[in-house]
Amino acid sequence: KQEVTQIPAALSVPEGENLVLNCSFTDSAIYNLQWFRQDPGKGLTSLLLIQSSQREQTSGRLNASLDKSSGRSTLYIAASQPGDSATYLCAADFQGAQKLVFGQGTRLTINP
Amino acid sequence: GAVVSQHPSWVICKSGTSVKIECRSLDFQATTMFWYRQFPKQSLMLMATSNEGSKATYEQGVEKDKFLINHASLTLSTLTVTSAHPEDSSFYICSASTPEATGELFFGEGSRLTVL
Repeated sequence: KQEVTQIPAALSVPEGENLVLNCSFTDSAIYNLQWFRQDPGKGLTSLLLIQSSQREQTSGRLNASLDKSSGRSTLYIAASQPGDSATYLCAADFQGAQKLVFGQGTRLTINP
Repeated sequence: GAVVSQHPSWVICKSGTSVKIECRSLDFQATTMFWYRQFPKQSLMLMATSNEGSKATYEQGVEKDKFLINHASLTLSTLTVTSAHPEDSSFYICSASTPEATGELFFGEGSRLTVL
């Protein structure tokens, strides 16, 4: 079964710290992996998309990596800010049909 | 990025009634849209793939007669929850990809359905 797992479910860190969110997936034959942000009661905001041929993508203070052989992706957030507080979801496209399989998410709290 | 809009943002209905949720791609045409459901404190689960001009394809365990999907134009897909019951109360979110087909998906703001 193709699954995506995110650990921990929740993370709380002081403002200014660099942090890493983890995502693991069961099938290395992945087409792409996407990271999203979800604020409470809201939809999803796309953060980064990594194609299977790529190792990492960067956008501002965010950097996402992909290691297919180990079945892992990480989202690195530099110099965290209270505004970064949200739930972060990773999702994998295993079939190439854009049918995403989501992880449970990591609820991130940045304390001022 | 591309913008996907949903309406309504929230809706409350009585058990047994039907509710329609709209998903629009505002600045691009989407031949394919996807409908997800998210229960409280859970992640998103794909319900169905909406294809413009053809029938939707449903994931295993999703009742196609209960969740009617219509994708009549390149910018609009609708999800109708028929004969809604309290267990259908959930957060419904749609997504779409742009014609560039990069693989990146853009999501709507979601629609919270509460069935009394």
